[in-house]
Amino acid sequence: KQEVTQIPAALSVPEGENLVLNCSFTDSAIYNLQWFRQDPGKGLTSLLLIQSSQREQTSGRLNASLDKSSGRSTLYIAASQPGDSATYLCAVKRVDNFNKFYFGSGTKLNVKP
Amino acid sequence: DAGITQSPRYKITETGRQVTLMCHQTWSHSYMFWYRQDLGHGLRLIYYSAAADITDKGEVSDGYVVSRSKTENFPLTLESATRSQTSVYFCASSLTASYGYTFGSGTRLTVV
Repeated sequence: KQEVTQIPAALSVPEGENLVLNCSFTDSAIYNLQWFRQDPGKGLTSLLLIQSSQREQTSGRLNASLDKSSGRSTLYIAASQPGDSATYLCAVKRVDNFNKFYFGSGTKLNVKP
Repeated sequence: DAGITQSPRYKITETGRQVTLMCHQTWSHSYMFWYRQDLGHGLRLIYYSAAADITDKGEVSDGYVVSRSKTENFPLTLESATRSQTSVYFCASSLTASYGYTFGSGTRLTVV
C-alpha cells in the first residue's frame, strides 16, 4: 500500500511569506501526483497534476515539484495571501494500480493578514 | 451547468435505513470514485468505476453498494446505515487514469 505523509499538519504564516508544503510517499514507482486545496466545508479543488515523467508544474503563484527517487513532492506558494488559507492535500497514484489515488492527511494553512 | 454534482447536500437518516447518494457528471469521464472523509482518517476510497458496468472495491467498501449503468451516474447505496457511516462523502471523476480527479461538493451524511 502507498503511504502518503504530509508534514506539518498545520502551518501559520504572516501574509506575504513564501512557503513550502511537503508531501512524502513510500513507493517511488508512482504514476502521477496531484495537489488539491480544500476550504472548510467544501469539496477538493485541483491545483496541479504532475506526471511521473515531469519534474515540476506551475500555475500562477504555485509551483509543485516531484522527486521520485527520494519519494517527495513540494508545493511552493509565493507571496502568500489570506485567501490561500485552506487545507492542502497531495494524492499519489502507483504504477501498479493507477486507477486510484492515495491521499495524505493534509496540511492546514493559515495566512494571517 | 457542466460539472460533477452530488445530491443531496445534507442527509440525516436513521440506523438500519437504506440511503442512496447520487453523483452525476456531464463530461463523459470514464472513471468515477466514491470517497469518505473523516477526521483522523483522511480520504478513504469506497468504490470506483473504470467505465459503465465496471466497478471495483476500495479500502472501505463493506456496507456499501454501487452501480453504474450509465457513464454519467454513479450512485452509492448504504444498504443498512450504521452510525459509523456518518461522514462526508465525496464523488470524483477522471477522464482517464492519466488525468487528475475533479471532485463534487460532497454530501454530509448523519446516521442517528
